[in-house]
Amino acid sequence: DVKVTQSSRYLVKRTGEKVFLECVQDMDHENMFWYRQDPGLGLRLIYFSYDVKMKEKGDIPEGYSVSREKKERFSLILESASTNQTSMYLCASSSAGADFNYGYTFGSGTRLTVV
Amino acid sequence: AQKITQTQPGMFVQEKEAVTLDCTYDTSDPSYGLFWYKQPSSGEMIFLIYQGSYDQQNATEGRYSLNFQKARKSANLVISASQLGDSAMYFCAMRELIIQGAQKLVFGQGTRLTINP
Repeated sequence: DVKVTQSSRYLVKRTGEKVFLECVQDMDHENMFWYRQDPGLGLRLIYFSYDVKMKEKGDIPEGYSVSREKKERFSLILESASTNQTSMYLCASSSAGADFNYGYTFGSGTRLTVV
Repeated sequence: AQKITQTQPGMFVQEKEAVTLDCTYDTSDPSYGLFWYKQPSSGEMIFLIYQGSYDQQNATEGRYSLNFQKARKSANLVISASQLGDSAMYFCAMRELIIQGAQKLVFGQGTRLTINP
């Protein structure tokens, strides 16, 4: 019954590596989101996408990029990983319109450590 | 822009007691929605409850209720008869319109709730 799947639960990468975090949803949702979660800061929006090939910056896009080539898949890319990108990354999806009263469906998160 | 504030970084409560988690918000939009999510140590985010700004009654879902005070801009979560399984991180969030009819959630800092036996 998994609806939003993130490819990795735990990831350890080296400084300077290019990192791909994958997210797939099977609910035919239009909107997809990438957040990072840090203690004391809550969840902060990195990027979102409201349609295939469409992307918009969130509140903290620096150092990240995204790709949405298919409706069900939204990838987060760390072009050159740095230690300050060590965090929990959460992917979410939602439908548009009134169904948004149910909010997001989240993936189980990827805990990324950059060493 | 919308803002959500949770002023309690951590709370400790005895099992079976009721607990109130505080959430205040700031928005100039007359139409908005407020959400609460639970995040256990496993990391998944679980939707608990939703309150629309035009809803006349406070939302309830089982042991969860939302104490919505519009004039004070507060949306506190009340958990009745707390259980050990309620120990988790709790996030308050507000809906914000972005572009093309899409909406996003703005989250507070979170409150870590610990239920003691």
